[in-house]
This record gives sequence, structure tokens and C-alpha cells, in this order.
Amino acid sequence: DAGITQSPRYKITETGRQVTLMCHQTWSHSYMFWYRQDLGHGLRLIYYSAAADITDKGEVPDGYVVSRSKTENFPLTLESATRSQTSVYFCASSVARNTEAFFGQGTRLTVV
Amino acid sequence: GNSVTQMEGPVTLSEEAFLTINCTYTATGYPSLFWYVQYPGEGLQLLLKATKADDKGSNKGFEATYRKETTSFHLEKGSVQVSDSAVYFCALGTTNAGKSTFGDGTTLTVKP
Repeated sequence: DAGITQSPRYKITETGRQVTLMCHQTWSHSYMFWYRQDLGHGLRLIYYSAAADITDKGEVPDGYVVSRSKTENFPLTLESATRSQTSVYFCASSVARNTEAFFGQGTRLTVV
Repeated sequence: GNSVTQMEGPVTLSEEAFLTINCTYTATGYPSLFWYVQYPGEGLQLLLKATKADDKGSNKGFEATYRKETTSFHLEKGSVQVSDSAVYFCALGTTNAGKSTFGDGTTLTVKP
């Protein structure tokens, strides 16, 4: 199906483990984003990418790694998960700068 | 840097009441402005947008006008319904650097 999809939808992992959240979009949008959503903090930008092989830090990048070898994929890796990274993670894409963003359904990650 | 300040919630209204959710922003340049809505368990979706000063965005009975002189983009609806219960986010379009800025979100509950 066309659109932006995230996987998995739910994930429980242990402290210290590496975990990768996947994001795939079918529109060939240039921009892709990762956000985390926590109560009391709204949406916070973790990383973003303006094109394949171009990524940059957002507001809260520590503890996360991204890559974008293909336009359509933008995986987010937690190298060594901590409890503070328990959150709902949203991936989004937009066709260009300053245009509307399309969001995935989110991944609810729990670190125990 | 760019920032968005949204009216704090939660907001509780009776069906058919008038809704206003305030949003003010600080930005360099003239970014597009957006309102997104998030229903329980879902990702954000665009509600309406405005791309330049004095533009009015509208959708599903919601309206917001891009006011450069007051740096505001308040969301209004004349008669809310129970189905409008959701979280509403005000946002600035991405900057030249690619970063996006969201407000903290306002939770609206409409009671029958």
C-alpha cells in the first residue's frame, strides 16, 4: 500500500540492547523525520534527512543513530536502549522543505 | 530560533460549543503554518495549512488565519462535535536547515 509505514508497532526491549525501528515511504519524498512523543513534551525531533545519504541532528539526538542509504527508508537505531528512551516514536516525510508532513502510525517502544 | 507556543490544555467543551486554540510563533523568514490533529492511537495528520500572511486555511469546519502582525495562527471551529476530540498541534514549516517545529499539543475533549 502507498504511504508511510513504521514497524514494529509495539516493541518491548531490555536496557542495553540495540533496537532498530523501521520507516518506509512510497512517495519518494525528499525529507524524512524521526520524532519522539512523550507526555508533557509534545513532539521532539530526533533526526531528519533532506535526501538520501544526508542526515542531521534534531533536538534530542543522543543515544540514537540513523541512516538513509535509500530515499524510501529511514531506520532509527537505539544503540544501547535506556529506560528514558521509552516513548512513542513517529516517522514522517515531506516532499520538500516547508511543506506538510505525512506521519506514520507510530511505534510504541518500552525499555524495561 | 524558531518556536511555537500553544494554548495549554486540556480543553473540555460541550457539543456545539465554539472552539479556539491559540497558537503563536517565533520564526525567521516566513514559514508555512500548519495545524495537525492526532486521534487516539494514531499518527498526526494534517488538518489545515497556510503558506503566507493573511492566508486562511480551512478544513472540516476548522479555520485558522496566518497573522504576521501578531505572529499567530489560532485554530477555530464554530460548533464542535464529539468526534473532534483529539490532540491538536500547531507547527511551523521546515526551515532551510530542514528542522521542523511543533507546539506541545492541546488535548480537546468534547462531551455530548
